[in-house]
Amino acid sequence: GNSVTQMEGPVTLSEEAFLTINCTYTATGYPSLFWYVQYPGEGLQLLLKATKADDKGSNKGFEATYRKETTSFHLEKGSVQVSDSAVYFCALSDILKTSYDKVIFGPGTSLSVIP
Amino acid sequence: DGGITQSPKYLFRKEGQNVTLSCEQNLNHDAMYWYRQDPGQGLRLIYYSQIVNDFQKGDIAEGYSVSREKKESFPLTVTSAQKNPTAFYLCASKLLAGGTDTQYFGPGTRLTVL
Repeated sequence: GNSVTQMEGPVTLSEEAFLTINCTYTATGYPSLFWYVQYPGEGLQLLLKATKADDKGSNKGFEATYRKETTSFHLEKGSVQVSDSAVYFCALSDILKTSYDKVIFGPGTSLSVIP
Repeated sequence: DGGITQSPKYLFRKEGQNVTLSCEQNLNHDAMYWYRQDPGQGLRLIYYSQIVNDFQKGDIAEGYSVSREKKESFPLTVTSAQKNPTAFYLCASKLLAGGTDTQYFGPGTRLTVL
């Protein structure tokens, strides 16, 4: 079945460092891909999305490109801030046989940014 | 303001008791979902519903029940049959029309069984 794999955390970076969180997926068809962010004690917020191959999603300085040839959707940011400390989830949409759909989430990657 | 509300934020329950978690949305979204999150783990789907009076089991439905009597409401009952109910529960919703496939999440309810 469809699945999402993320790099294991926790990831600890100094402020202004470059961030990459790897995400690869297995899917039939052409799912949409997402990055969600969860701050401590809160629900998930959509960070960015891409709906087809070679699309680039971007928001708040974060970027990710939908790479069908490598089945990847890596999250990047050029200069992280302390306020970026959170858990990041890679996800894909999945159309079930019954035509109901759901989102499959990766396990999450915890990021801590230190001053 | 439009959004998804979950109440309460923290909930304590004695073993053997049923408890109902509230989820309300005023976004006019068609589909609603319940997820469970355990420490250090991703989200697992419990139940989902795309229309009123219809819902489907997700990956871990055992020990849970839901109802969808109104479009804006999707309460989750954690029954005494759920063997390990202590977790963070997240509700989400999505608009089906227009081809969007983005789910929007509420703030979550943390359930602790004493």
